[in-house]
Order: sequence, then C-alpha cells, then structure tokens
Amino acid sequence: DIQMTQSPASLSASLEELVTITCQASQDIGHWLSWYQQKPGKSPQLLIYGAPSLADGVPSRFSGSRSGTQYSLEISRLQVEDIGIYYCLQTYSAPYTFGAGTKLELK
Amino acid sequence: EIQLQESGPGLVKPSQSLSLTCSVTGYTITSGYDWSWIRNFPGNKMEWMGYISYSGSTNYNPSLKSRISITRDTSKNQFFLHLNSVTTEDTATYYCARYDYYDGYYQDWGQGVMVTVSS
Repeated sequence: DIQMTQSPASLSASLEELVTITCQASQDIGHWLSWYQQKPGKSPQLLIYGAPSLADGVPSRFSGSRSGTQYSLEISRLQVEDIGIYYCLQTYSAPYTFGAGTKLELK
Repeated sequence: EIQLQESGPGLVKPSQSLSLTCSVTGYTITSGYDWSWIRNFPGNKMEWMGYISYSGSTNYNPSLKSRISITRDTSKNQFFLHLNSVTTEDTATYYCARYDYYDGYYQDWGQGVMVTVSS
C-alpha cells in the first residue's frame, strides 16, 4: 500500500496567518492527490484535486502544490471558517490511502 | 445535483454483520463513476473500504480481507456495504461517496452514519 505521511498532526494558527500542511507519498503518485476539509459532525469537503486544481466554490486562499512526492496545501490567510481537520488522499492505486489528518485550530 | 444518503443500523453486535445502504439521487449509478465506502474511526483515522463501479465491478481494501462485499440494486439506484464478523474495531462513521476517476477525487459524500459495535 502507498503510505501518506501527513504533517503536522495538529496546528494552531492566528487569523490571517499563512498555514501549510504537507503530505509525503511513499512512492510516485503523480497528480492523483486530493485534499479535504472536515468540520465536526460533517462529511469531508473537497478542496483541491490533481495536486494543484481548486475545487468549485473553494475560496482562492486555498492552494495546492507538488514537489516530487511531497504535496502541500496552503491557506494564505486563515479565516475562522477554515478550522477543522484536513486530509490528503492518494488515488493513484488501490487501496486508496489517506493521510492521518491535520487538526487546525485557532490560536 | 448528485446527493448520497446512507442508512442502516447504528448498533451492531460483535461477530454479526453490518449492512448499510447508500441511496443516490441526481445521477444513475450505472452511468459512470465509482461508488465507494469510506469510514472515519474515532480519533479521525480515515479508511477507504472499496467501491463498486458503474459497470458493477468491485475493488476492496485488502485490509478487510474477505469480510467485505459491496453490491447494488440498479432498480433503486442504491448500493450497499456488507461487512461480516464485525468487532469493536469496526466502530466508525461510515460514508458513501462518488469517485470521479477522470480527475481523481471524491466530490459528493453522504452525511455519514455512525455505527457502534457493542454487545
């Protein structure tokens, strides 16, 4: 199975701060990486797919990038509504695997 | 708008079977996409369980070995999760979701159903 090592596990940041979350894939997964935000009691919401593509309706302060097998999600100016848990997911090969999640809180 | 909704028992006894239904509206499941089950454990670990494709083929997570089966009823536009021999480690929130294999993402999810395995 492809392992997705996500960091940090938790993150406390201030409003308007730049936030970066990373996922390291254990092998090449190309562009088959997506990012999701999950709020308490809600289902995950798609943010980014294909590594850099922004999903419909997602604010432009979210962005994704790739460097080799490392993938990053950036929130350029943190807002209150961005609080939640973030996951990466590789769908290059089955079984698809998630990162362990990053819990983002307000400082 | 594609909508998915899970239904099923919230409590299952150990060693019994777990069966969940995902009802899809706004799209016919035989027209395209892969229709998946994903679960979220207490503590926030997410696990992809498997899918049934629009053609009816299936793909399961080997970690679930022979315990899992995903089937469908095309007349009702539903697909199902069957998980045998459950233990307390199967306690989780279960989601059904639509996988877009063209761009590689899950756009549409159900609201989730919490299943507790306990005697």
